[in-house]
Amino acid sequence: EVQLVQSGAEIKKPGESLRISCKGSGYSFASYWISWVRQMPGKGLEWMGRIDPSDSYTNDSPSFQGRVSISADKSINTVYLQWSSLRASDTAMYYCARLRDNGYVIDFWGQGTLVAVSS
Amino acid sequence: DIQMTQSPPSLSASVGDRVTITCRASQGIGEYLAWFQQKPGKAPKSLIYDVSSLQSGVPSKFSGSGSGTDFTLTISSLQPEDFATYYCQQYNSYPYTFGQGTKLEI
Repeated sequence: EVQLVQSGAEIKKPGESLRISCKGSGYSFASYWISWVRQMPGKGLEWMGRIDPSDSYTNDSPSFQGRVSISADKSINTVYLQWSSLRASDTAMYYCARLRDNGYVIDFWGQGTLVAVSS
Repeated sequence: DIQMTQSPPSLSASVGDRVTITCRASQGIGEYLAWFQQKPGKAPKSLIYDVSSLQSGVPSKFSGSGSGTDFTLTISSLQPEDFATYYCQQYNSYPYTFGQGTKLEI
């Protein structure tokens, strides 16, 4: 069974750093790209970027470039989303999702990680 | 970026009804379109890809059509578990973008 298990909810202060994770199981991890999707409170889905875990090649959305970084450790089947300095506007639910068809089509989603940033 | 516009933003229907949700792209995207379902407090679920292909395990009551810039998701014989928010997404041009969602309410 394909599973993407994300790390738990985080409560942080503005300016702090954070890394959340997404661990894949039940499939050949390095064979599928992983994407990150943001959902701000009460809002829709926003594409943040994707990574090929086989070589850690990334495609970031211009809307998020410079704000977050995506990385992977294929030895432990895990992809990360990282901030160096959080803002209150980063408060959102973050989902990882597996991409089939060479990085195009989302087929499986993680359960989401809630990030709350407040002073 | 390609803009995806869904209509209507919200839709009221009854159990047993057949409903259609529309998604329009700001430029042609071929057949690179997917649909997702999201229930309150839950992660999205993948329903359809390549306009009309069902993801594994998705019932045939869900169907998609269209090409170019105009697409539809049709749900037949609505059941209580179908009431949710539905999103379209294009993956023709990077960054891939989502519609704003259509909330299907009882």
